[in-house]
Amino acid sequence: DAGVIQSPRHEVTEMGQEVTLRCKPISGHNSLFWYRQTMMRGLELLIYFNNNVPIDDSGMPEDRFSAKMPNASFSTLKIQPSEPRDSAVYFCASSLATGRREKLFFGSGTQLSVL
Amino acid sequence: AQTVTQSQPEMSVQEAETVTLSCTYDTSESDYYLFWYKQPPSRQMILVIRQEAYKQQNATENRFSVNFQKAAKSFSLKISDSQLGDAAMYFCAYRSGSEKLVFGKGTKLTVNP
Repeated sequence: DAGVIQSPRHEVTEMGQEVTLRCKPISGHNSLFWYRQTMMRGLELLIYFNNNVPIDDSGMPEDRFSAKMPNASFSTLKIQPSEPRDSAVYFCASSLATGRREKLFFGSGTQLSVL
Repeated sequence: AQTVTQSQPEMSVQEAETVTLSCTYDTSESDYYLFWYKQPPSRQMILVIRQEAYKQQNATENRFSVNFQKAAKSFSLKISDSQLGDAAMYFCAYRSGSEKLVFGKGTKLTVNP
């Protein structure tokens, strides 16, 4: 299994531009999570899906952020318009939605820099 | 809301020695899991060990073990015979029935040769 695949690995953009981060979860996993990591705030959960349905998006910072999961094998996190304070590493993770015991498998993250 | 606190931003240990990383958490739930994740410079998040709240026996994985004190809401990680490859950020995490995984802010571990 290739694991959780995220793209791009690095993204540099200018303030005001739209940014789209992509994630392919592990096949068979039906829970998907988006996290943001910064030095100041650590790892923050932005949103998570069960069976492609958003369950909790209370961590999404503001309306500029949106996430979709059109099918079981693909999810996107979009920032429009982007701001310098959005600079962070964004992680996607997936797990079997069979309860709290299951560990999360993380992708390698996308390093986002907004200039 | 559940919170996870790691009070040691940085720790260091000599190679082959033992080090303990601290973690406390706050919850009103009785059934949950606790995890330690390792993040080396490669940025990859790697599960080190996990503990079910209902199990009194402390989890162990080779050189890694935990000291789980449920009443005190404490979950420390002990690394024995430290190796250079253990150098990384270590994150304590909590997961309950809501399925959210809540992380602490991490401890940066340096291993000195």
